[in-house]
Amino acid sequence: IAGITQAPTSQILAAGRRMTLRCTQDMRHNAMYWYRQDLGLGLRLIHYSNTAGTTGKGEVPDGYSVSRANTDDFPLTLASAVPSQTSVYFCASSERAGGTDTQYFGPGTRLTAL
Amino acid sequence: GQNIDQPTEMTATEGAIVQINCTYQTSGFNGLFWYQQHAGEAPTFLSYNVLDGLEEKGRFSSFLSRSKGYSYLLLKELQMKDSASYLCAVMDSNYQLIWGAGTKLIIKP
Repeated sequence: IAGITQAPTSQILAAGRRMTLRCTQDMRHNAMYWYRQDLGLGLRLIHYSNTAGTTGKGEVPDGYSVSRANTDDFPLTLASAVPSQTSVYFCASSERAGGTDTQYFGPGTRLTAL
Repeated sequence: GQNIDQPTEMTATEGAIVQINCTYQTSGFNGLFWYQQHAGEAPTFLSYNVLDGLEEKGRFSSFLSRSKGYSYLLLKELQMKDSASYLCAVMDSNYQLIWGAGTKLIIKP
């Protein structure tokens, strides 16, 4: 693989169900990010990780959790899905945190919570 | 609050030139990015400006004026494949990207 992969590509989820979106990068980037993209709005940062073992909250963290056990993987978990979490979720990475490095994006996961 | 403004939609003709504007108000400034996003795909990096002036990269150029809180993306010799959304994003004082909603560019033959 090259770059960032996300799984699943799309998912329909019943309200109240738990769901983990997977993200893996093979670029050995230190920083990783989760965004959601909704029609008419800019990308909004959910959570981020500056390096393996650390995570931080972004603009819209409520209802989501993340972990960063190693450099490559950065899963996003919805503990109990609600319809307002219907969105397209993008994972991204950059070589460094706290700098102006370009962020590279995965192909996205389209999630529908009913 | 932090705010990035760009037009919702623009239409241009194949072979022509189009300028997409972006104005911003953010807490701090550590550079401005432009990304391209085709429908149903991931955003991909186009350009980065941190100093005032014009950066040219092939058919695409990006301009920045920090004093005016203003940038534009200039696309020349438009091709049908340039039909996409163009996202403006500013890196704030916390090194987090603040994103505009994007400009959907429609290219007509």
